[in-house]
Amino acid sequence: RKEVEQDPGPFNVPEGATVAFNCTYSNSASQSFFWYRQDCRKEPKLLMSVYSSGNEDGRFTAQLNRASQYISLLIRDSKLSDSATYLCVVKPPGNDMRFGAGTRLTVKP
Amino acid sequence: DAGITQSPRHKVTETGTPVTLRCHQTENHRYMYWYRQDPGHGLRLIHYSYGVKDTDKGEVSDGYSVSRSKTEDFLLTLESATSSQTSVYFCAISQTGTRDQPQHFGDGTRLSIL
Repeated sequence: RKEVEQDPGPFNVPEGATVAFNCTYSNSASQSFFWYRQDCRKEPKLLMSVYSSGNEDGRFTAQLNRASQYISLLIRDSKLSDSATYLCVVKPPGNDMRFGAGTRLTVKP
Repeated sequence: DAGITQSPRHKVTETGTPVTLRCHQTENHRYMYWYRQDPGHGLRLIHYSYGVKDTDKGEVSDGYSVSRSKTEDFLLTLESATSSQTSVYFCAISQTGTRDQPQHFGDGTRLSIL
């Protein structure tokens, strides 16, 4: 079983739609959680950290459920520019980070 | 953008040849990392460094070695490249190794081993 699992998609949604991505992780001792965005043939870029209480940054909302070992990302009012692959990232104890394989999103006009 | 430069950006070489990839940072961050990214897999850690001359193995370290003689440079070497090492390689940095510190990535190196 992979340490971080994501639905690979692709998710194809119209502009203005709300879309949610989920991610599960296997190491219950994991301490920090992030969502990264990766455009085609580019490097991953930090989208947002995920806090226990949940957090929002504009149209993006991240939630963490430690009991179920589950992280989510909600994107409201999707824009064409949101088209990318979204990587779920989990930090277990130590200096490593574990990456999901990513969920691909395409926002269509 | 984080001050991270990877070189070369693209390389094609033959099986059995040595290859060295360079990561250079201008942020004076203590931690540096090398990852590889392959289809169907998340980024996987090869090696990381927590200071000059201080390095440790990651999840997929076999066939790779690293060196860090200066804070700003972290080198990844494939002593004898194999086709299974064809991949996209990303360098990342973080200010500390503490849990809340995210990592920031360079532009990547596309390496093809024929």
